[in-house]
Amino acid sequence: DTAVSQTPKYLVTQMGNDKSIKCEQNLGHDTMYWYKQDSKKFLKIMFSYNNKELIINETVPNRFSPKSPDKAHLNLHINSLELGDSAVYFCASSHPGQGNYGYTFGSGTRLTVV
Amino acid sequence: AQKVTQAQTEISVVEKEDVTLDCVYETRDTTYYLFWYKQPPSGELVFLIRRNSFDEQNEISGRYSWNFQKSTSSFNFTITASQVVDSAVYFCALVNAGGTSYGKLTFGQGTILTVHP
Repeated sequence: DTAVSQTPKYLVTQMGNDKSIKCEQNLGHDTMYWYKQDSKKFLKIMFSYNNKELIINETVPNRFSPKSPDKAHLNLHINSLELGDSAVYFCASSHPGQGNYGYTFGSGTRLTVV
Repeated sequence: AQKVTQAQTEISVVEKEDVTLDCVYETRDTTYYLFWYKQPPSGELVFLIRRNSFDEQNEISGRYSWNFQKSTSSFNFTITASQVVDSAVYFCALVNAGGTSYGKLTFGQGTILTVHP
């Protein structure tokens, strides 16, 4: 029973394409996140949603657009993909509103732009 | 603002050696949580420990131990009698528990640990 699941696990695409990564959690958490891990392994937050509301929006190009249809789902859509977008993207969830600072991460999506 | 620094980019040891991974953090909040995660070559993030700012007790779990010192803003991680399977990237992370953090987890740069047989 996967707690945070991301699809796809691997994504290879050409520059200029538009792609989406999906994330779903079945933990009942109210907050979901997207993190980007670059080639140097650095993990940085991109977005966070709390009950479908955007609450964290770090300095990320406008080509990246998160969408949360409900609190169990947070998808990431990327327009006009560039070589520099190649990275591993991790989805996570937690419940900080209830004082629960335990984070559950998905297994990651490795995006390669060629 | 919050910041986590892992000064050791890479560490290489021989099996059975003890190794300590350093983590120094900065935060203005008085209530916060510190974490360590392991990322093996397979790529997933494996949770190791969470410690809140009011609990400075050191913790031991098998070959792993953690030393939390608020006076020096450090949360160091020691692996005793290292094994090849310990080879991974290790991340220290911090979240402020205040209302404005929205649960934002800030990671250090990571330390690549290689354990040679």
